[in-house]
Amino acid sequence: GDSVTQMEGPVTLSEEAFLTINCTYTATGYPSLFWYVQYPGEGLQLLLKATKADDKGSNKGFEATYRKETTSFHLEKGSVQVSDSAVYFCALSLGNTGFQKLVFGTGTRLLVSP
Amino acid sequence: NAGVTQTPKFQVLKTGQSMTLQCAQDMNHNSMYWYRQDPGMGLRLIYYSASEGTTDKGEVPNGYNVSRLNKREFSLRLESAAPSQTSVYFCASGTGDTQPQHFGDGTRLSIL
Repeated sequence: GDSVTQMEGPVTLSEEAFLTINCTYTATGYPSLFWYVQYPGEGLQLLLKATKADDKGSNKGFEATYRKETTSFHLEKGSVQVSDSAVYFCALSLGNTGFQKLVFGTGTRLLVSP
Repeated sequence: NAGVTQTPKFQVLKTGQSMTLQCAQDMNHNSMYWYRQDPGMGLRLIYYSASEGTTDKGEVPNGYNVSRLNKREFSLRLESAAPSQTSVYFCASGTGDTQPQHFGDGTRLSIL
């Protein structure tokens, strides 16, 4: 079935380091892909998305490119901040136009130290 | 803007008790969702409502019921709570032709 696989965490970085969080997917057809972020004690927030192959989603300095050939959607940021510490979820959408359901990965915790 | 509001934030139940989790959104969204979040498993869809008056099962609907009371409100009911339902529950909403856009802050539910 359709699924999303994320790298195990936690990912521990120093401030200003380069971030990569890996995400690969298995899906029938051509899903849309998403990254959500969950800050401590809060609900998820949509961070970025891409709806077709080679699309790049970006927001708040984060980027991810939809790679159909490798079925991947890795999250990157050039210089992380302490405030980026959170859990990051990769997800894909299922369903036809008019309604979408999401399949989530298990999440990757990012810890950024000063 | 309140966004998606869930109540309560925390609850402890005994096995067999019932309760209803409340969710309301003020963004005039058509679709609403209930997810549960368990360690190492990500979020799983329990039920969703694509529009007012409709509800459908998600991945893990057993042991739950939902009501889309109106466009704003979507409640989740546990009729006879079981320890396996200990989880963090999130309500979300969306415009109906996109992914869930806004999540509430969650309800942490423990069943003893």
